Amino acid sequence: AQKITQTQPGMFVQEKEAVTLDCTYDTSDPSYGLFWYKQPSSGEMIFLIYQGSYDQQNATEGRYSLNFQKARKSANLVISASQLGDSAMYFCAMREGPSNDYKLSFGAGTTVTVRA
Amino acid sequence: IAGITQAPTSQILAAGRRMTLRCTQDMRHNAMYWYRQDLGLGLRLIHYSNTAGTTGKGEVPDGYSVSRANTDDFPLTLASAVPSQTSVYFCASSRRNTGGRNTGELFFGEGSRLTVL
Repeated sequence: AQKITQTQPGMFVQEKEAVTLDCTYDTSDPSYGLFWYKQPSSGEMIFLIYQGSYDQQNATEGRYSLNFQKARKSANLVISASQLGDSAMYFCAMREGPSNDYKLSFGAGTTVTVRA
Repeated sequence: IAGITQAPTSQILAAGRRMTLRCTQDMRHNAMYWYRQDLGLGLRLIHYSNTAGTTGKGEVPDGYSVSRANTDDFPLTLASAVPSQTSVYFCASSRRNTGGRNTGELFFGEGSRLTVL
């Protein structure tokens, strides 16, 4: 079974608008972490934001926020005030367990295109 | 600039040839990983190493081998390349938990694009 599901292969958003990227996950481990990475057309992987399963508040990093709904096993990324430079592929990923074994499982990704 | 260096950045290879993708990090991270990225499949873990001297299999290990002789280097070898191994390969590293908040964030190299004909 897929551990991370991203159901939106591609999205268009108008500049300055907000966009929400969906991510659902599957784990039976009570301790886990959720990540979002950005991959621009140049190919590098850029870490955006992290949410721990025991974190009481939703994570925020500048224009990025993570809408963490634990009961629904979803960890949607919200990008506010989109900019042209936000056009990229976005990956949701999960680490299971509190151990030192930090293998991440990734979703298939969502391509975001920001229109001027 | 500190980080992860991968080589080569791009390679075209004939099927059946042996190929080693190199990965070196200078962050003294304990754990290192190899992922392959394929369209529609995201990134899939090939092999990993939690510390020098140990390695483990990921989700798609067949046809690949790794070694971890020291902390800094984690080469990935394709013993006899096949066209299905055409992909973009990412090496990554992470700090192990030494106390305090450690998310397990992965630091990635810039990728190696491999084409097997």
